[in-house]
Amino acid sequence: EVQVVESGGGLVQPGGSLRLSCAASGFSFSSTWMTWVRQPPGKGLEWVGNIKEDGSEKFYVDSVKGRFTISRDNAKNSLNLQMNSLRAEDTAVYYCARYARSPELWGRGTLVTVSS
Amino acid sequence: DVVMTQSPLSLPVTLGQPASISCRSSQSLVHSDGNTYLHWFQQRPGQSPRRLLYKVSNRDSGVPDRFSGSGSGTDFTLKISRVEAEDVGIYYCMQGTHWPLTFGQGTKLDIK
Repeated sequence: EVQVVESGGGLVQPGGSLRLSCAASGFSFSSTWMTWVRQPPGKGLEWVGNIKEDGSEKFYVDSVKGRFTISRDNAKNSLNLQMNSLRAEDTAVYYCARYARSPELWGRGTLVTVSS
Repeated sequence: DVVMTQSPLSLPVTLGQPASISCRSSQSLVHSDGNTYLHWFQQRPGQSPRRLLYKVSNRDSGVPDRFSGSGSGTDFTLKISRVEAEDVGIYYCMQGTHWPLTFGQGTKLDIK
C-alpha cells in the first residue's frame, strides 16, 4: 500500500526536544522530495520544510530555522524531523507528505504538544 | 513571503447547488519554468488534508469531475458544480512557486 505514517509525537516542555519520524511504503522513496506540514489545533495549515531526494537540499519556514532539522534515510525509507528549543506555538499536528511541487500523499499526522 | 488570501472564509451551500472559492496571491505564481504551482486541498472533518487539484486545474486521481479549477497569475478559483454532503470540510489553496511555500487561510464549506 502506498502510504506514509508519522510517529513520535507527544507532550514536551517548552525548550525541550522531540524527534518525529515518517515511514514511507509503496513508492520509490529515494526518488521523491518529502515535506512536513503542521496544523495547530483548530487552525490552518503551515508548511514547515522540504528535503530533496538525496538530502542535499533542505528548505524551512523562517519560524523553525535553526531549531528544526529535516533528515532522511533512503535505505530505511524514513523521514525525520528533529525539533529543538520547542515553543508553545509549535503545538500542532505534524503531517509528513510526499512532495511533487505540492504535498500529494499525506499521513494521518502526529500531535506535538508543547506545554509545562 | 507570498500571501494567499481566500474568500469567502465561510461558505454555506444548499445540496445540489454550485459553490465557488476564490484564492488570490500577493505575487504572480508563474514559475520561471512556465508552470503555475497553485494547488487545492480538501480537509474533511477529522481527516488529513487531501490534494484535489494541482497546477491550477489538474484533478488528482479519484477526485470527482464536479471539482474544477481555473485562473492565472494571481487570481484563482475552485468550483464545485453541485455540492454533495461529502464535500463538507475546509478547502485550502497553496502556492508551490516561491519559497517559503504558503497556504491560504482555508474556506469552511458546510450545508445550509
